[in-house]
Amino acid sequence: LAKTTQPISMDSYEGQEVNITCSHNNIATNDYITWYQQFPSQGPRFIIQGYKTKVTNEVASLFIPADRKSSTLSLPRVSLSDTAVYYCLVGDSGGGYNKLIFGAGTRLAVHP
Amino acid sequence: NAGVTQTPKFQVLKTGQSMTLQCAQDMNHEYMSWYRQDPGMGLRLIHYSVGAGITDQGEVPNGYNVSRSTTEDFPLRLLSAAPSQTSVYFCASSPHEAGAGTDTQYFGPGTRLTVL
Repeated sequence: LAKTTQPISMDSYEGQEVNITCSHNNIATNDYITWYQQFPSQGPRFIIQGYKTKVTNEVASLFIPADRKSSTLSLPRVSLSDTAVYYCLVGDSGGGYNKLIFGAGTRLAVHP
Repeated sequence: NAGVTQTPKFQVLKTGQSMTLQCAQDMNHEYMSWYRQDPGMGLRLIHYSVGAGITDQGEVPNGYNVSRSTTEDFPLRLLSAAPSQTSVYFCASSPHEAGAGTDTQYFGPGTRLTVL
C-alpha cells in the first residue's frame, strides 16, 4: 500500500486560504487520493477524493499534478471551525475491501 | 438515518475483564470496520468485514474478536482487557462501489475505553 507524508501541523488565521500538501511517491496506477477530516472527539469524515488534475466540492479543492506523486488539499477562507486533523490517504477499492492507512495526519489550527 | 452508532461512549475496565463494544449501521453497507486511535496518532485497522458471515484481520487484531451475523451489526469483543488496549475505538461502514476509487467510510462517534 502506498505511504503518504504530510506536515505534522499547520497554523492559519480566519479568512485565509490553507493548502496542505501530501507526498505519495509510490502511488499505484489504480490508486485514488482521498482526504478525511477529524474534529476532536469525533470520527473522521470524508472530505474529497480525486484521481488526477483538480476536483472541487462545496468544502475543498484537491489539486493533483500530472505525475500524481503529491496532492494538495485547499481550504478556502478557513474559519475557526476548520480546526481539525486532516488525513491524506491513497488506495483503490477496485479489487475488494480497501485497507485505508491513516497516518498521523496534519493538525490544522485556525486562529482568530 | 442514524448512520453509524456505537455504544457505550465511555467505558472503564479492569485488567482481565471482557466486554463487547457495539456497532450498528442503518445504511445497508456491505463493509464494516473497527479501528483504534491512540493519542496523537492516526487510526489503525483492527478487524473488518466485507459482508454478513465474513470477517478478516486488520493491522492490529490481537486481543480482539469480531463476528458479523447481520448486515447491520458488527460487535468488537475484548477477551481479556489489558492496559495496552486503552484507546478510542471507531467503527466505520462503507458501501462497496468497485471502480469508484476508495470506498467512502462513514465513522461512528467512537468509544473511549480505559483499562486500569
